[in-house]
Amino acid sequence: AQKVTQAQTEISVVEKEDVTLDCVYETRDTTYYLFWYKQPPSGELVFLIRRNSFDEQNEISGRYSWNFQKSTSSFNFTITASQVVDSAVYFCALCSHINNFNKFYFGSGTKLNVKP
Amino acid sequence: GAVVSQHPSWVICKSGTSVKIECRSLDFQATTMFWYRQFPKQSLMLMATSNEGSKATYEQGVEKDKFLINHASLTLSTLTVTSAHPEDSSFYICSARIGTSEQETQYFGPGTRLLVL
Repeated sequence: AQKVTQAQTEISVVEKEDVTLDCVYETRDTTYYLFWYKQPPSGELVFLIRRNSFDEQNEISGRYSWNFQKSTSSFNFTITASQVVDSAVYFCALCSHINNFNKFYFGSGTKLNVKP
Repeated sequence: GAVVSQHPSWVICKSGTSVKIECRSLDFQATTMFWYRQFPKQSLMLMATSNEGSKATYEQGVEKDKFLINHASLTLSTLTVTSAHPEDSSFYICSARIGTSEQETQYFGPGTRLLVL
């Protein structure tokens, strides 16, 4: 069964603090894809990153970094020097190939509150 | 990134009426679009997969006669909530698939908030 777990329901930090959002996934597929999306209060989901299962290289994009650990089935997301504009709900998603098409499985989301 | 639009962004209607929501890919063609539903403080729930030129594939528990999906062109999919009731009030989000297999990504529309009185 495919499943994405984001154990942290809500996190509050003060501006400039670093914060890590956890994501643990379950899948039997050997090839799969992992995503992070940001959902600000306006509601629109913003694509942040896509990672293929065969590529365990960690990635850094500005203040954002992602740590993919296949051994622990985790794909954690770190925001360095957080800003108030980072306040949003962040979703981790697993894309699995089922019945000849790809299907997304979303975690329950982590609400990040960054206070000034 | 790719742009997906939804219209309307907000809709308030009376119980028993039907509401149509449009999802458009603005700068690319999308043979496959997806419709999700999100309740407050919850995750996205996939309702159906919309395929251009063919019938939509509905997830288990989603009434196909209640939520009519039409994907008449490569840039437009519509979701019609028929005979809406207050329990249909929700945030409806569409997404469009870009790329194939290893490069596939979903880009989401801004969502439509439906309130049924």
